[in-house]
Amino acid sequence: NAGVTQTPKFQVLKTGQSMTLQCAQDMNHEYMSWYRQDPGMGLRLIHYSVGAGITDQGEVPNGYNVSRSTTEDFPLRLLSAAPSQTSVYFCASSDPGTPSTGQYFGPGTRLTVT
Amino acid sequence: AQKITQTQPGMFVQEKEAVTLDCTYDTSDPSYGLFWYKQPSSGEMIFLIYQGSYDQQNATEGRYSLNFQKARKSANLVISASQLGDSAMYFCAMREGQRGGSYIPTFGRGTSLIVHP
Repeated sequence: NAGVTQTPKFQVLKTGQSMTLQCAQDMNHEYMSWYRQDPGMGLRLIHYSVGAGITDQGEVPNGYNVSRSTTEDFPLRLLSAAPSQTSVYFCASSDPGTPSTGQYFGPGTRLTVT
Repeated sequence: AQKITQTQPGMFVQEKEAVTLDCTYDTSDPSYGLFWYKQPSSGEMIFLIYQGSYDQQNATEGRYSLNFQKARKSANLVISASQLGDSAMYFCAMREGQRGGSYIPTFGRGTSLIVHP
């Protein structure tokens, strides 16, 4: 199993550009989520999905879109990048039937917006 | 209001000693779960331990134990016999769900632990 994969690992964008962060998991997990991590702020939930075709907003959804057309993939789209979106982005997946195993995290994408 | 509070931004411990990292939580949901994660300087998130709100006993995983005090809404992580490799950021997280929650965990701001030789 590859677990949770994220691409790219690093990205530099100019203000106003758009891009998609990719996330895929091969564990057949129903739940997937996107977090951003900023210094001193912990991980904040952007969007999440409890199954294919179902998405919802987290704590900090503005400026981001998601879709979940398959169980495996959960891409995060930045519509018009802003310097405030400079952050490390983590994708995670979990099996709701076994909460004691926690979430599986991808390695993260470090995004810089200039 | 923050659902997960970690009041210790930084902690120091001597190698081989035990250390407690504090976590308090706020929920009205009778069914919830509490997690601890470790994030070393390499950046990956490593799941350590889980406690369910209905679990009668405190969770343990090797050198990690969770001191769960339900009435005080605290879920402190205890690391016994600290090792240099324990130096990392530690995050407490909570999953709610029964009363409209998302079942997706929310995280505290973290505690930085440094283990001295």
